[in-house]
Amino acid sequence: DQQVKQNSPSLSVQEGRISILNCDYTNSMFDYFLWYKKYPAEGPTFLISISSIKDKNEDGRFTVFLNKSAKHLSLHIVPSQPGDSAVYFCAASKGSGGSNYKLTFGKGTLLTVNP
Amino acid sequence: EAGVAQSPRYKIIEKRQSVAFWCNPISGHATLYWYQQILGQGPKLLIQFQNNGVVDDSQLPKDRFSAERLKGVDSTLKIQPAKLEDSAVYLCASSLGHTQYFGPGTRLTVL
Repeated sequence: DQQVKQNSPSLSVQEGRISILNCDYTNSMFDYFLWYKKYPAEGPTFLISISSIKDKNEDGRFTVFLNKSAKHLSLHIVPSQPGDSAVYFCAASKGSGGSNYKLTFGKGTLLTVNP
Repeated sequence: EAGVAQSPRYKIIEKRQSVAFWCNPISGHATLYWYQQILGQGPKLLIQFQNNGVVDDSQLPKDRFSAERLKGVDSTLKIQPAKLEDSAVYLCASSLGHTQYFGPGTRLTVL
């Protein structure tokens, strides 16, 4: 049962344009969401996160939007740069107090930014 | 600040052999995680430690996988005996709160 779904295996955009990566989840208990970027032969790198009490979080070129009613979140990258080419993972957790924040990951979306 | 360290980076073994992976988390991070990432999939949690105690090992195949975190710092993950389907990248992560920070991973190939 895939609780976090990234339905687009790949996305290709032109440099300078907007990249929009989508993620859907099924478990209404999830209350914290993260995006990770992964280059080949490296571990995932934390990019940006959002709590369920917010609907938007912005960090430089990266913005994450959360629609709780639709159980949907998206990552916007503006403007896209060739160095953004990587696999992007959406992850979700349900806080249970203390440090017990188990992450459930989607399968990832390969973003290619063409010069 | 040093990141999460893992070794070895690559390992090739034959089925039924044993293998061990090592992880050193970010200094001060009490929580440590081991994930398995099969090609084309997202990371899947195998085991989570809080200091040197196990918080969640519900997805760990305990008949062949074992993990320990002595003294609440470094951790080792062992597979004995390995199967072909264990071929994957094994990722270690550590955290203080929600955000987990990952090491570079160990790519295991079982022939």
